[in-house]
Amino acid sequence: QVQLQQSGAELAKPGSSVKISCKASGYTFTSYDISWIKQTTGQGLEYIGYINTGSGGTYYNEKFKGKATLTVDKSSSTAFMQLSSLTPEDTAVYYCARNRYPRWYFDFWGPGTMVTVSS
Amino acid sequence: DIQMTQSPASLSASLGETISIECRASEDIYSNLAWYQQKSGKSPQLLIYAANRLQDGVPSRFSGSGSGTQYSLKISGMQPEDEGDYFCLQGSKFPLTFGSGTKLEIK
Repeated sequence: QVQLQQSGAELAKPGSSVKISCKASGYTFTSYDISWIKQTTGQGLEYIGYINTGSGGTYYNEKFKGKATLTVDKSSSTAFMQLSSLTPEDTAVYYCARNRYPRWYFDFWGPGTMVTVSS
Repeated sequence: DIQMTQSPASLSASLGETISIECRASEDIYSNLAWYQQKSGKSPQLLIYAANRLQDGVPSRFSGSGSGTQYSLKISGMQPEDEGDYFCLQGSKFPLTFGSGTKLEIK
C-alpha cells in the first residue's frame, strides 16, 4: 500500500535550518511528484511547492522562495525539504503529499513533521 | 492567488443528519476541486476529487458537486466517525490554495 513516511519532530533555533524527509513506498516513486504543505492553526494550509521526482525539477510558491528547498534522492525513494533562516513563523506541521494529475490534487499524505522554532 | 472561501467555519450535526459544506473560489476553477477530511492529530484524507469523483474506499454518503466558482461537499447521514475538520483544495492555478476549513462535530 502507498505510504509516505516522514522524519520526526524538529526543535530548531531561530536562524538555523532543518531538513525534513519523506520516504515513499508501495508504488513507483518516480511516477508521481511530491508536494509539500504547511499547516498552522493561524494560517491554515499553505502550499509550498512540488518536486518532479524523476527530473528533480521544482516549483515554489512565491511565498516560500528562499525559505524552502526541495530535493529528491531517487535511489532511496525519498523527497526532502530544507527550511532555512528559521523564524518562529516557521513553526508548523509540514506534510508531504503525492500529486495526482491532471486535476491537481493529493491522494496520499505523509503523517506530518512538526517543526518548532524557539530560542 | 485564487482565494477559497469556505463556509461554515463550524457545524454541529445530529447522527443521521445531512450536512453541506461550501467552497467558493475567487475565479473559475473548472472543477479542479478536491475535498479532504482531517481528524485531530492526523494527516488529511482525500474524499472527493475533480469536484464530484469519490475517492476509492470513501463511503458513498460523501458526495461533491459544483462548477465554476461554487462547490459543495455533502454528507448524507452523519456518522460518528465523520467528526473532524474538512477543507477544500483548488488545483486549477498555482499556487494551489486551500479553504480555511470547517470543523464538524456531533450534536
